[in-house]
Amino acid sequence: GENVEQHPSTLSVQEGDSAVIKCTYSDSASNYFPWYKQELGKGPQLIIDIRSNVGEKKDQRIAVTLNKTAKHFSLHITETQPEDSAVYFCAASNNQGGKLIFGQGTELSVKP
Amino acid sequence: DAGVIQSPRHEVTEMGQEVTLRCKPISGHNSLFWYRQTMMRGLELLIYFNNNVPIDDSGMPEDRFSAKMPNASFSTLKIQPSEPRDSAVYFCAIKPGESDEQYFGPGTRLTVT
Repeated sequence: GENVEQHPSTLSVQEGDSAVIKCTYSDSASNYFPWYKQELGKGPQLIIDIRSNVGEKKDQRIAVTLNKTAKHFSLHITETQPEDSAVYFCAASNNQGGKLIFGQGTELSVKP
Repeated sequence: DAGVIQSPRHEVTEMGQEVTLRCKPISGHNSLFWYRQTMMRGLELLIYFNNNVPIDDSGMPEDRFSAKMPNASFSTLKIQPSEPRDSAVYFCAIKPGESDEQYFGPGTRLTVT
């Protein structure tokens, strides 16, 4: 079955620096890749997603890149702020009913 | 969180007791998902419904777990009897229409002592 690996598990950056989180997936049929941000005591919040027909997508300070050949995708956060501190999850789906397989999560800490 | 209401938000119960978790979507959707989150296993899909019909329950850990969706506005996840290893945060998520996006509720933190 599908497997999603996420790295690193923890990431600490200084405010204003960039943060990059990487994921790899195993199922070549996967075609939808969302990223979620989870703050303490809350449910995961969808922040950006990308589909397999696109190589890159950007939304303000957040961007996601996809390399289908290598089966990996990455989240890039520029000009990080303390409020970006949270746990970030990547996921993959082959669109059969919408079943998402999640990575293990990355705890991002942005130090002021 | 705005599209999904979950109750209770916290539940503490003793081993052997029945637990019922509730999910109420407040926006339109075609699909509803139940996930479990633990430190050891991360976010796992337990079961999902499409148009109120269970499609894939392969993630349900064992027969003690059951889920129902009697109508488009309500779903329950029941554990009977509960065990300490069921302690986790349980999330309900919805997928509106034919879109790919899933939106999560705030979760129910279950503690079984």
